[in-house]
Amino acid sequence: NAGVTQTPKFQVLKTGQSMTLQCAQDMNHEYMSWYRQDPGMGLRLIHYSVGAGITDQGEVPNGYNVSRSTTEDFPLRLLSAAPSQTSVYFCASNRGGPYEQYFGPGTRLTVT
Amino acid sequence: DAKTTQPTSMDCAEGRAANLPCNHSTISGNEYVYWYRQIHSQGPQYIIHGLKNNETNEMASLIITEDRKSSTLILPHATLRDTAVYYCIVRGLQGGSEKLVFGKGTKLTVNP
Repeated sequence: NAGVTQTPKFQVLKTGQSMTLQCAQDMNHEYMSWYRQDPGMGLRLIHYSVGAGITDQGEVPNGYNVSRSTTEDFPLRLLSAAPSQTSVYFCASNRGGPYEQYFGPGTRLTVT
Repeated sequence: DAKTTQPTSMDCAEGRAANLPCNHSTISGNEYVYWYRQIHSQGPQYIIHGLKNNETNEMASLIITEDRKSSTLILPHATLRDTAVYYCIVRGLQGGSEKLVFGKGTKLTVNP
């Protein structure tokens, strides 16, 4: 199993540009989440999904959209990038219940 | 989910046991204690979790006090590769496996 994969690893955007961060998992997990981590901080939840076709907002959803058309994929879309969205983005998945989350390696995004 | 309190930083000598404390005085009866760690800027890695009883796996031991208001993560023989930020997280089973709440964690430095 590849686990949770994220692409790209690094990205630089100009203010106002849009892009999609990709996340995929091959563990057949129902639950997937997106977090962002700013310097010196813990992770903060952006959006999450409890299954294909079901998504909901986390703590910091503004400026981001998600969709979940398949169990495997959970892309995160930045609609109009802003410098405040400069951060490291982590995708995670798990099978629910008391079981642990598995995290991807992260995407480092810089918005200039 | 209950809030947790952890020391900002700790040091440990290589080969010695690292004992990382966590206070969760407002924990409720159905909430689990989870530990994750983040090495450098990698994605967080699950370590261990427990409800009431002490738990042990190949990475660490988790000691939960009888009143469940605090816990200790024990790395029995710390190595330089255990240098990381350690997060203690408390959450219930009902709606929450996909959304962890991270604090700032404890920065553990293992010294040679």
